Formats: sequence, C-alpha cells, structure tokens
Amino acid sequence: QKEVEQNSGPLSVPEGAIASLNCTYSDRGSQSFFWYRQYSGKSPELIMSIYSNGDKEDGRFTAQLNKASQYVSLLIRDSQPSDSATYLCAVTNQGGKLIFGQGTELSVKP
Amino acid sequence: SAVISQKPSRDICQRGTSLTIQCQVDSQVTMMFWYRQQPGQSLTLIATANQGSEATYESGFVIDKFPISRPNLTFSTLTVSNMSPEDSSIYLCSVEDRQGATDTQYFGPGTRLTVL
Repeated sequence: QKEVEQNSGPLSVPEGAIASLNCTYSDRGSQSFFWYRQYSGKSPELIMSIYSNGDKEDGRFTAQLNKASQYVSLLIRDSQPSDSATYLCAVTNQGGKLIFGQGTELSVKP
Repeated sequence: SAVISQKPSRDICQRGTSLTIQCQVDSQVTMMFWYRQQPGQSLTLIATANQGSEATYESGFVIDKFPISRPNLTFSTLTVSNMSPEDSSIYLCSVEDRQGATDTQYFGPGTRLTVL
C-alpha cells in the first residue's frame, strides 16, 4: 500500500463547476497535510495546508480532513481554466518526512 | 515565504558526465531538501541537506551518486554524478519554513535535466 494515494485522473470538469480531489494516507500518526498545485513544466506551489479535522477555506479552495478515515480532500469552487494543473497531496509522516501522492491531473474545460 | 532560486534551470548532458545544481535562498533556513521528479511521476526525496554535516540520504540514493554540499544556511548544491539517461528528471530543492507550530516546505523552480 502506498503511503499517500490519489486518483491519477485526469479529472475533467466544466468551467464554473466544483472540482473534488481526493487523497488517502496510510500513516495514522500523520499530523500535517498539504495540497500543492503544479503547472506543466513548473515546480509545485503550496495552495492549502490543514492540520485539524474538518474544513479549512481559502477563497475558492476548501481542504477537508478526516483523520479517522485517513482522508483529505480539496474542493475547488467555480473552477476556472487557469486551475488546470496537477494537484499533489502531501502528508508529513511520523518521521517528519513529507510524502507525496502521485498527483491528480485536473482539466477545466471552458 | 523564502525566495528560492536554482541554477541551471535546465541542461542537456552526455552520459558519464556530472552536473552540479545550485540552490540559493534569500534568508537563512535550517532545513533544505533535494527531490527528484521523474517524467510523469511525483516527487521523491533524495536527501536532507544538513548544514555543517553530511547529508541524510533516503533509501535508494547514495552519496557517491548524489553528493550534496551545504556550506551555510542559504546555499546547497546537488551533484548528479556519472549520469545515465535514467537520471533525466526534474531536480528540485525545497526549504522548510516554520509557520506557527508547523513546518511547511516551499520549492525552488527546479532544474530540468536531460541525459543523452
């Protein structure tokens, strides 16, 4: 079992819709959870971090964490073509290392 | 967050040669890391660059192949030695920034390496 798993996609949504990206992790002791966005040919940029169960909202982005289910998600409301990118889920394991999922490619169609 | 630069941004190299990648940060940071991202893959940690001591390598990565220097708190280098086409990847440095009680990693722009 991979430490961090994401649906590889591609996930295609129409412009204005909600994009839902999901991630599960195996280390129950994980404490910190991150979503990075990576445009093609660019490096990952941090868009959200979450540490407590529940929802965290930042503009059009909402991160959701459920530690009991070992599940973290990212919702993007009012999706725009500029949101088209690969979204990487990353989890800090008990050893303090940042472990990345394989990424979900999102395509927002005008 | 810290501003991170990397040099070179890209390079095409012949097999058997070595390339040194530089990572510069605009502020002092304790933790610096080097990652590899192979084509179509996610990020894999190569090593943690420790200031004043030897780097800590992850399983599957060795110092002879990926020597790392960290002479001070703002600079690190990664050398990819005796390159083969399998080393063609994006190499990324990252720094850890403490925000409140939590450490967050930020990435440099990356070095895209092609080995022929």
